[in-house]
Amino acid sequence: AQRVTQPEKLLSVFKGAPVELKCNYSYSGSPELFWYVQYSRQRLQLLLRHISRESIKGFTADLNKGETSFHLKKPFAQEEDSAMYYCALRRIQGAQKLVFGQGTRLTINP
Amino acid sequence: DVKVTQSSRYLVKRTGEKVFLECVQDMDHENMFWYRQDPGLGLRLIYFSYDVKMKEKGDIPEGYSVSREKKERFSLILESASTNQTSMYLCASSSYRDRGYNEQFFGPGTRLTVL
Repeated sequence: AQRVTQPEKLLSVFKGAPVELKCNYSYSGSPELFWYVQYSRQRLQLLLRHISRESIKGFTADLNKGETSFHLKKPFAQEEDSAMYYCALRRIQGAQKLVFGQGTRLTINP
Repeated sequence: DVKVTQSSRYLVKRTGEKVFLECVQDMDHENMFWYRQDPGLGLRLIYFSYDVKMKEKGDIPEGYSVSREKKERFSLILESASTNQTSMYLCASSSYRDRGYNEQFFGPGTRLTVL
């Protein structure tokens, strides 16, 4: 069965420190992975997708098939990064459905 | 430029009531979704629709039904609301035309409280 695990419910770091939000997945096929973000009082939105290999708002994520991970990283955290982050897996063979992880609430302390 | 709207931001209902949550998108998307968002459980898919009048059960469909009579509108129905259905409900839409990127666009959510 497809599963996405985000082991940290809460993560707190100081401004300027590096950030890493962990995401592990289980899927027998070739996955597509995404990070979604929800800022306070805003709707959930796509942050980045692994196939684009892009950096958004200073965040990057590399798909590691050997470790079945897709950790989200940023070298220097900013206060505006405080938000709820969800890792999501797309089942290639299926329709358009995504499987989401449990979410990590990131707090950046000044 | 709001693209996915939900009929209510907050809703309070009593146990046993029939509850309708409405979602409308203006992006001509084929796919629409209903999720529950609960702390520590993340987003869980309730139902999914890939075309008008077509629906597919998600991971937690028990106690819910859906209706999609028009392409832009997807309704979630709680036939007999129970307290364990108190939650935040999120609607989303996506399109096959999105070059395979599968980005889902979300509504603002409806926080439902069942007393």
